[in-house]
Amino acid sequence: GQQLNQSPQSMFIQEGEDVSMNCTSSSIFNTWLWYKQDPGEGPVLLIALYKAGELTSNGRLTAQFGITRKDSFLNISASIPSDVGIYFCAGLLIYNQGGKLIFGQGTELSVKP
Amino acid sequence: DGGITQSPKYLFRKEGQNVTLSCEQNLNHDAMYWYRQDPGQGLRLIYYSQIVNDFQKGDIAEGYSVSREKKESFPLTVTSAQKNPTAFYLCASSIERGYGYTFGSGTRLTVV
Repeated sequence: GQQLNQSPQSMFIQEGEDVSMNCTSSSIFNTWLWYKQDPGEGPVLLIALYKAGELTSNGRLTAQFGITRKDSFLNISASIPSDVGIYFCAGLLIYNQGGKLIFGQGTELSVKP
Repeated sequence: DGGITQSPKYLFRKEGQNVTLSCEQNLNHDAMYWYRQDPGQGLRLIYYSQIVNDFQKGDIAEGYSVSREKKESFPLTVTSAQKNPTAFYLCASSIERGYGYTFGSGTRLTVV
């Protein structure tokens, strides 16, 4: 199946630091999404990107949809302990009359107070 | 409140037994999906369904089966043919064309 390459796999940072993670693909996507997953729970949508080049913010989070439509990044500024979790990028694949999300492998974020 | 419910949260089964995971949504979404999550591997698509009485295999369908008899329900059966069934299973639903994806809170299956 199609895959998204997400990096880094894990990050250990100090509270207050900025964080950056990214996803690349060999395929073109029309929509990029970023999710956060807390331990033992389902992913929750953070940011959705619908246009190439689009830059969108949600509080301390900023994400961009790459111009080539094959990549996206997520930045978190001034990290806090509750930012801990796994962050996933996802590309929406549209086909015929349906659609499905393809996920990256995830970036596990640890924040040291 | 509308949402998607997976039950049970934790499930233990003996090797060789089939087990069915429940997924119910009251969001009036047409499409439903099952993903499997293993550490370091992200979410992999098992099966998906765009409408009632229709479903397609995802990337890792072997050893799994599904049904979609009602719009609200998309149960997943993990059969004895699944060689490594211990994992975290996530159900999701969406409106047309995959927009508005919403996830359940997952079921952790442990086979001993």
